[in-house]
Amino acid sequence: DADVTQTPRNRITKTGKRIMLECSQTKGHDRMYWYRQDPGLGLRLIYYSFDVKDINKGEISDGYSVSRQAQAKFSLSLESAIPNQTALYFCATSDTGGHTEAFFGQGTRLTVV
Amino acid sequence: EDQVTQSPEALRLQEGESSSLNCSYTVSGLRGLFWYRQDPGKGPEFLFTLYSAGEEKEKERLKATLTKKESFLHITAPKPEDSATYLCAVHGSSNTGKLIFGQGTTLQVKP
Repeated sequence: DADVTQTPRNRITKTGKRIMLECSQTKGHDRMYWYRQDPGLGLRLIYYSFDVKDINKGEISDGYSVSRQAQAKFSLSLESAIPNQTALYFCATSDTGGHTEAFFGQGTRLTVV
Repeated sequence: EDQVTQSPEALRLQEGESSSLNCSYTVSGLRGLFWYRQDPGKGPEFLFTLYSAGEEKEKERLKATLTKKESFLHITAPKPEDSATYLCAVHGSSNTGKLIFGQGTTLQVKP
């Protein structure tokens, strides 16, 4: 089983719909992240959480919200999806300290039509 | 503002043709520079962490080096299975645990 699991792996949704992407991890890490990947733009940070009671905005948080339900679970919501949110989304975790490597999930390919 | 720039964007090599990928960075107080490999449709996979100028790390045909302004990923005698996108990321003291990524270099190794 993967250490960082994202569901769903692929999703097509319509403009204006609410959608939730889920992430769970078995690494026992406190820190969790949501990134978005677009061709030519690399990975950009949407939100991050350093523990269950901590939520922080990343560089592109507009149009997104998150929930840290437990140490192992971190979900990303698009309240009203729009076509330019079509992208590959990755969840990641890292150990406390921040200078250790991040472990990534397999990604969710989201298409908004 | 912390920044990471990778070059070239794409690189085509013949099998056995060695080359280097570049990662230039500006960061206040480097706490770590990371190299990842990403295969199509998959999440990035960790390769190396470098912490200070002069440090080097090796894994099979890959060797990562670090200076105060850039890092190189040297690929020696590459094989087709080395084809992937290679991502560089930095963690600076001002980013409190966040990784800032470059755009990546897509490597294609032809047999």
